[in-house]
Amino acid sequence: GAVVSQHPSRVICKSGTSVKIECRSLDFQATTMFWYRQFPKQSLMLMATSNEGSKATYEQGVEKDKFLINHASLTLSTLTVTSAHPEDSSFYICSARPLGANEQFFGPGTRLTVL
Amino acid sequence: DQQVKQNSPSLSVQEGRISILNCDYTNSMFDYFLWYKKYPAEGPTFLISISSIKDKNEDGRFTVFLNKSAKHLSLHIVPSQPGDSAVYFCAARRAGNMLTFGGGTRLMVKP
Repeated sequence: GAVVSQHPSRVICKSGTSVKIECRSLDFQATTMFWYRQFPKQSLMLMATSNEGSKATYEQGVEKDKFLINHASLTLSTLTVTSAHPEDSSFYICSARPLGANEQFFGPGTRLTVL
Repeated sequence: DQQVKQNSPSLSVQEGRISILNCDYTNSMFDYFLWYKKYPAEGPTFLISISSIKDKNEDGRFTVFLNKSAKHLSLHIVPSQPGDSAVYFCAARRAGNMLTFGGGTRLMVKP
């Protein structure tokens, strides 16, 4: 299947700092990538849809100024958590859909812990 | 409003028997349904999918059934293996290719 990578896999940061998470589609191109967040024992919640070359579309309740998304190429999208707070601690997962495919393929996720 | 629901948070099955995971949805605009398997601290892995124009799709030990009139889909795993133990999410696709996920069902396959 198609491979999606995320970096870093784990990050611990101090409150008030910014953290960047990268999502890459390794063997396919994706005009659209998605960013999800998962709290413990809960389902995946879509945060935003990242479109290559244009602004991301954010889901209701997600602060676009706090969660900055950049989709600079057909294989890379980044999520930057700005001025992180402990309540931003979560498991962040990206996904990408190959051109013409129906399925989305997920990255391995990034565990963010804000102290 | 939870548009995709998995009403069983957990399921325990004996190795070799059939596992049946259920999913209900409310939005008739969903046109594609997918099942993902997820281990702790990992991203979901795509398992199997079905288009809304079909009622069954089979891939090895995994079969997905779709009942559009009941807005219900199910994933059958037979025979179940201990390595199948994980959380299973059903997802439904809507406009813009966004997926809406159910809450997940934790499957435990006992040796």
